[in-house]
Amino acid sequence: QVQLQESGPGLVKPSETLSLICTVSGYSISSGYYWGWIRQPPGMGLEWIGTISHSGDSNYNPSLKSRVSISVDPSKNQFSLRVRSVIAADTAVYYCARGGIGAAQGWFDPWGRGTLVTVSS
Amino acid sequence: QSVLTQPPSASGTPGQRVTISCSGSSSNIGSNFLYWYQQLPGTAPTLLIYRNNQRPSGVPDRFSGSKSGTSASLAISGLRSEDEADYFCASWDDSLSGRRWVFGGGTKLTVL
Repeated sequence: QVQLQESGPGLVKPSETLSLICTVSGYSISSGYYWGWIRQPPGMGLEWIGTISHSGDSNYNPSLKSRVSISVDPSKNQFSLRVRSVIAADTAVYYCARGGIGAAQGWFDPWGRGTLVTVSS
Repeated sequence: QSVLTQPPSASGTPGQRVTISCSGSSSNIGSNFLYWYQQLPGTAPTLLIYRNNQRPSGVPDRFSGSKSGTSASLAISGLRSEDEADYFCASWDDSLSGRRWVFGGGTKLTVL
């Protein structure tokens, strides 16, 4: 079955760049679907960050667009997230998930287990 | 503040039927599908309901979803202790201020 796994530093300093990788197994990213990042601050709700297609078509949350970029590497079956100029409010559990067949279509399933990223000096 | 509005908490006793509401607007629920996710304690969310009222394979028929206008509901019948979790609604939003996926703030369901 399709599985996703997030990886990356658990601690990032304020003003620096947060970088995470999502490795997909059990399905080839090149075969289709959109792939997304969603985050959840401690004790709070979910926030969509953005999604990317296997061909690199990306869509971002307007509230984060100026600081976020998502890329895809089909050869490694991975997609990545970068958040620039992080602040304490970026502290959250970051999830990667498979999306639908279009940016606005489908649903997020399955999800990775999530990785906690703390922004602190 | 979340774009979709959910009650922060809900509760019920084993065997009871509980409902969780999700309220939005014409740019999201009113014109797009509604999805529900279940997040058990300490775990990642999982898809519970898709396209307003469809259950993925493996989801018991005790869970049902409905949508009317700019609101939606999740109903859980025959409540069980393992249903204790956070529940989130989600929809695509076509707002002029920016197209995006939006979530409700989540409802914490307690089984008494």
